[in-house]
Amino acid sequence: NAGVTQTPKFQVLKTGQSMTLQCAQDMNHNSMYWYRQDPGMGLRLIYYSASEGTTDKGEVPNGYNVSRLNKREFSLRLESAAPSQTSVYFCASRRPGTGAPGELFFGEGSRLTVL
Amino acid sequence: AQSVTQLGSHVSVSEGALVLLRCNYSSSVPPYLFWYVQYPNQGLQLLLKYTTGATLVKGINGFEAEFKKSETSFHLTKPSAHMSDAAEYFCAVGNTGNQFYFGTGTSLTVIP
Repeated sequence: NAGVTQTPKFQVLKTGQSMTLQCAQDMNHNSMYWYRQDPGMGLRLIYYSASEGTTDKGEVPNGYNVSRLNKREFSLRLESAAPSQTSVYFCASRRPGTGAPGELFFGEGSRLTVL
Repeated sequence: AQSVTQLGSHVSVSEGALVLLRCNYSSSVPPYLFWYVQYPNQGLQLLLKYTTGATLVKGINGFEAEFKKSETSFHLTKPSAHMSDAAEYFCAVGNTGNQFYFGTGTSLTVIP
């Protein structure tokens, strides 16, 4: 079972360059998420998608765009990378719950450095 | 609004000793609470969760947590630490919408 797959695992960018982080899940989940993880700050939600065709801003959306291409795929785009976007990015999908939220399943992360 | 506070960003215990990682939450609605573990260079994995019912929840690898509404707490415990427990642990609160709120994490070191 692949679960949640993220690519690339590592990336180095120069300030102003653009790139897209790819995420795919094979669990048929409706909801998908993008988080960033920074030391001492835990995980902060960038964007989420409750279902195919919908996206919503999270806590720290500035500088990012997302696309929910289909039920499986949810990509995160940095249009003009900045050093402040150096971070580890995690994609997650959420198992459906009945009356209570299901848990999140995470990818292994994409480590991005912006010089 | 919902939030999570994890007391202690670093905890060290001796192998075989009790592990206690603290989590307090703030929620205006009944909370749904989760503990996740992150091993180095990996994603987060679910340890256990509380949604409704029994307030003492058992998870994987011998961990358990108790939901205490009066204390707004969901502390994680394990009776006897093992070297393989060294990792970062995150407490999270979720709701029936689409939001999960994570604490800032606690790094657990196990001393041989």
